[in-house]
Amino acid sequence: GAVVSQHPSRVICKSGTSVKIECRSLDFQATTMFWYRQFPKQSLMLMATSNEGSKATYEQGVEKDKFLINHASLTLSTLTVTSAHPEDSSFYICSASGGMNTGELFFGEGSRLTVL
Amino acid sequence: KQEVTQIPAALSVPEGENLVLNCSFTDSAIYNLQWFRQDPGKGLTSLLLIQSSQREQTSGRLNASLDKSSGRSTLYIAASQPGDSATYLCAVILNDYKLSFGAGTTVTVRA
Repeated sequence: GAVVSQHPSRVICKSGTSVKIECRSLDFQATTMFWYRQFPKQSLMLMATSNEGSKATYEQGVEKDKFLINHASLTLSTLTVTSAHPEDSSFYICSASGGMNTGELFFGEGSRLTVL
Repeated sequence: KQEVTQIPAALSVPEGENLVLNCSFTDSAIYNLQWFRQDPGKGLTSLLLIQSSQREQTSGRLNASLDKSSGRSTLYIAASQPGDSATYLCAVILNDYKLSFGAGTTVTVRA
């Protein structure tokens, strides 16, 4: 299947700093990427839909100024957690869709963010 | 709003036993349904994708069925192995590619 790469896999930062997470589709062009957040022992919650060349669409309750999403190319979307706080500590996962008639989505390995 | 429920939340079986994982969803207007596996602290691995026009998909020891009219999907894992221990997530895919996930079933296969 298609490969989606996410980086970094783990990051620890101090409260108040910003952290950028990258999501890349390695062998296909992804017109649409999705960002999810997962709390311990809970399922994934969709945060936002990222479309190449346009503004991201955020789900209700997700602060767009807090979680900046940029989808500048067909193979890269980034999520920046700005002014991170301990409550932002979570597992963030991206998925990508595009050029696949089946509608199947492929997921990155996830990024574990810990804010001290 | 689409709600996805997975039962049971956890399951422990001896090696060799068949596994049956259930997923139900409230809105039958889905595009696809996808089953994933998640190992602790890891991302998602896609297991099976069932398109809305299909009734089942098979891959090796895995078989997934889909009944849109009743809002149900079942994942069968035959002859379970300790390596099958993981959390299994069901997700329904809407026409705009958004997914709604169930909370998952955590499976433990005892050697």
